[in-house]
Amino acid sequence: DVKVTQSSRYLVKRTGEKVFLECVQDMDHENMFWYRQDPGLGLRLIYFSYDVKMKEKGDIPEGYSVSREKKERFSLILESASTNQTSMYLCASTLRGRTQPQHFGDGTRLSIL
Amino acid sequence: KNEVEQSPQNLTAQEGEFITINCSYSVGISALHWLQQHPGGGIVSLFMLSSGKKKHGRLIATINIQEKHSSLHITASHPRDSAVYICAVNTGANSKLTFGKGITLSVRP
Repeated sequence: DVKVTQSSRYLVKRTGEKVFLECVQDMDHENMFWYRQDPGLGLRLIYFSYDVKMKEKGDIPEGYSVSREKKERFSLILESASTNQTSMYLCASTLRGRTQPQHFGDGTRLSIL
Repeated sequence: KNEVEQSPQNLTAQEGEFITINCSYSVGISALHWLQQHPGGGIVSLFMLSSGKKKHGRLIATINIQEKHSSLHITASHPRDSAVYICAVNTGANSKLTFGKGITLSVRP
């Protein structure tokens, strides 16, 4: 089974801090995704990566950056955390190809105080 | 208007009932996904389909490409089926998904 592991289930940070969310997958997937999930808004794509060192902006990239130095690891960075970034963050991965099932991590519930 | 619409928004059922959750989309797709998320939990992929019908245990997913509509059926529902059910579609040349907002299902014992 594919395992997508997010570094923290719950995280509390302060406004202005630089925050790192880590995601690791163990199935050699090419594609990796970062989403945020908010009540009433559903899942929204922040960034995705289709290969090492490659990235593409999603629907809501403002205030975020990403890093993919190794195939198995995809990091989401909040450059200067703000309260409106309090949310559930989910990482996912898939094999290369147009139609592949996405495998999700358990999510990180991030609170910015 | 969202590209992916789900109905109803919230659904309550009695244990044992047959449940149908609907998804409509307004764009051309290469595949449609049904996902499940239990309270406080991660998301699990239930089905990925581009035509016809798929069955897994008590769950059945159907899709009508011409009508741009899919349904997820749950037979003999159980309280452990209580979850958010999310419909998502592949629309582009890569594996990015466009998501519906999800439907919260509660199955009462």
